[in-house]
Amino acid sequence: DSGVTQTPKHLITATGQRVTLRCSPRSGDLSVYWYQQSLDQGLQFLIQYYNGEERAKGNILERFSAQQFPDLHSELNLSSLELGDSALYFCASSQAGFYTDTQYFGPGTRLTVL
Amino acid sequence: AQRVTQPEKLLSVFKGAPVELKCNYSYSGSPELFWYVQYSRQRLQLLLRHISRESIKGFTADLNKGETSFHLKKPFAQEEDSAMYYCALTSGSARQLTFGSGTQLTVLP
Repeated sequence: DSGVTQTPKHLITATGQRVTLRCSPRSGDLSVYWYQQSLDQGLQFLIQYYNGEERAKGNILERFSAQQFPDLHSELNLSSLELGDSALYFCASSQAGFYTDTQYFGPGTRLTVL
Repeated sequence: AQRVTQPEKLLSVFKGAPVELKCNYSYSGSPELFWYVQYSRQRLQLLLRHISRESIKGFTADLNKGETSFHLKKPFAQEEDSAMYYCALTSGSARQLTFGSGTQLTVLP
């Protein structure tokens, strides 16, 4: 499957904990985006990377951080988790990170904080 | 700041009836407009984008710059069209997708 992949599919953890979400972009795509989908906030952009460098930042909390590695996979780290962080986290990738590019989404990681 | 508005949270139509999902945007420049579809909280799939001007699964959308709208239309709805539809835009100043709040379409038998 050459599409965007995300692991794990589901994650259940407790408040105060730290988790790492992983994303592998489509083959050939250099840019990765992270989005959060929650019932109250809808779909919100978190952060974008292009070829290992941060390109744009959205409504990402200071407790959250991300990086893109030389092999282009990306990780989103969420720490000091709160109940309100429970959401579906999507990764998307695009070829060059231009605004005209189509972004292709992964299946998401569903995070539940208890 | 760019903004996307989808005024209808829920929309129900009968099978075979025409359907229109509304999308309005605010951005002073020339944005790129997209429609994404999400089935049962699965991954978002690109349905169409205005620049490609093609019809996917019978859906079309016309960009009206005067009214700043990008409504999605289908002449004859099918039950398999039931899903959540998101209108979104990107721009030269913001490469990330800005999404509307989504419209849940239900096609009744």
